[in-house]
Amino acid sequence: AQSVAQPEDQVNVAEGNPLTVKCTYSVSGNPYLFWYVQYPNRGLQFLLKYITGDNLVKGSYGFEAEFNKSQTSFHLKKPSALVSDSALYFCAENTGFQKLVFGTGTRLLVSP
Amino acid sequence: DAGITQSPRHKVTETGTPVTLRCHQTENHRYMYWYRQDPGHGLRLIHYSYGVKDTDKGEVSDGYSVSRSKTEDFLLTLESATSSQTSVYFCATATRGTVDAYNEQFFGPGTRLTVL
Repeated sequence: AQSVAQPEDQVNVAEGNPLTVKCTYSVSGNPYLFWYVQYPNRGLQFLLKYITGDNLVKGSYGFEAEFNKSQTSFHLKKPSALVSDSALYFCAENTGFQKLVFGTGTRLLVSP
Repeated sequence: DAGITQSPRHKVTETGTPVTLRCHQTENHRYMYWYRQDPGHGLRLIHYSYGVKDTDKGEVSDGYSVSRSKTEDFLLTLESATSSQTSVYFCATATRGTVDAYNEQFFGPGTRLTVL
């Protein structure tokens, strides 16, 4: 079965520093990958997606993600973290028929 | 959350009672989904719909049923609620993608359900 792994339950970073939230996927072939963010007591919001093409995908709020096929990874990055980036981040993979399988989530905590 | 509402937003019920959660969208999206979110599990798909009256099971469908009689409404029913169904439930919608591309899903605000 297809699966998505987010190996870190929490990532801590100081404001202004670069951040990385890790994600690895399991499907062979061409994956369709997504990142979502969830703020407290809210639904998930779409950040970015990889379908095909450039390995560096740019998304909302200054986030980007790097697709690496050889490492089956799709890490979320941002050059300079903001306190307001503190939230729960989910990586997801499309499994066909527009269905997604989600990772378990990574809590990002940005300290002032 | 724009265009997708869920009702109720909070509900407390007792074991053995039926519960229905409603998702309403104004986006005219073809696909609709019900997920549950639990600590340590992320989001797991319960049921989904790919059109009016067209539904299918997700990975955690036992104890749940769904119905979609109109494009805009997708109902999730817990036939006889159990404490293990205490969770936060999210509805999502999506447009149809092209053959080689898949569109993102849009999520509602969630319903927090507690089964005592």
